[in-house]
Amino acid sequence: DAGVIQSPRHEVTEMGQEVTLRCKPISGHNSLFWYRQTMMRGLELLIYFNNNVPIDDSGMPEDRFSAKMPNASFSTLKIQPSEPRDSAVYFCASRLASGSYNEQFFGPGTRLTVL
Amino acid sequence: AQKITQTQPGMFVQEKEAVTLDCTYDTSDQSYGLFWYKQPSSGEMIFLIYQGSYDEQNATEGRYSLNFQKARKSANLVISASQLGDSAMYFCAMSSHNAGNMLTFGGGTRLMVKP
Repeated sequence: DAGVIQSPRHEVTEMGQEVTLRCKPISGHNSLFWYRQTMMRGLELLIYFNNNVPIDDSGMPEDRFSAKMPNASFSTLKIQPSEPRDSAVYFCASRLASGSYNEQFFGPGTRLTVL
Repeated sequence: AQKITQTQPGMFVQEKEAVTLDCTYDTSDQSYGLFWYKQPSSGEMIFLIYQGSYDEQNATEGRYSLNFQKARKSANLVISASQLGDSAMYFCAMSSHNAGNMLTFGGGTRLMVKP
């Protein structure tokens, strides 16, 4: 299996621009998570989906952030408009939700820099 | 609410020696899972080991073992025979059904292995 795939790996944009981050989970996994990692706040969960349905988006910082999962193999995280404080590494992770606590598999992350 | 505390921001260990990374957690849930992830300088998050709250034996995965002390709410990671490639950030995390199986991460410990 190719693992969780994220694109782009690096994104540099200017304040005010729209940014779209993409994620392809591991085939067969039915839960998908978006995390943000910064030096100041560490790893934070932004939103997660079960069977393509958003379950908890309480971690989404503002209305500027939105996430979709139109099908089981694709998810996007969009920031519009972007701000310098959004600069971070954004991780997507997936897992197979079952009765036990299966581990989450992380993608390589997208390093976002907003100038 | 769940909380993970890693009190060691950074640690040194001599190559080939064992090292223990501390992790304490707080939860009101009876059923939960504890995880350790490794993040090398390249940035990816690598799953290392998992311990279920009802597991009676400590989890082991190769050179990694988890010292689980439920009454003390601690889940320390022990790395035996440290290697230079073990130099990385290590994150403790927990998950529970009541929390929607989301991962809550600690602040991490940076381990540096000296040759």
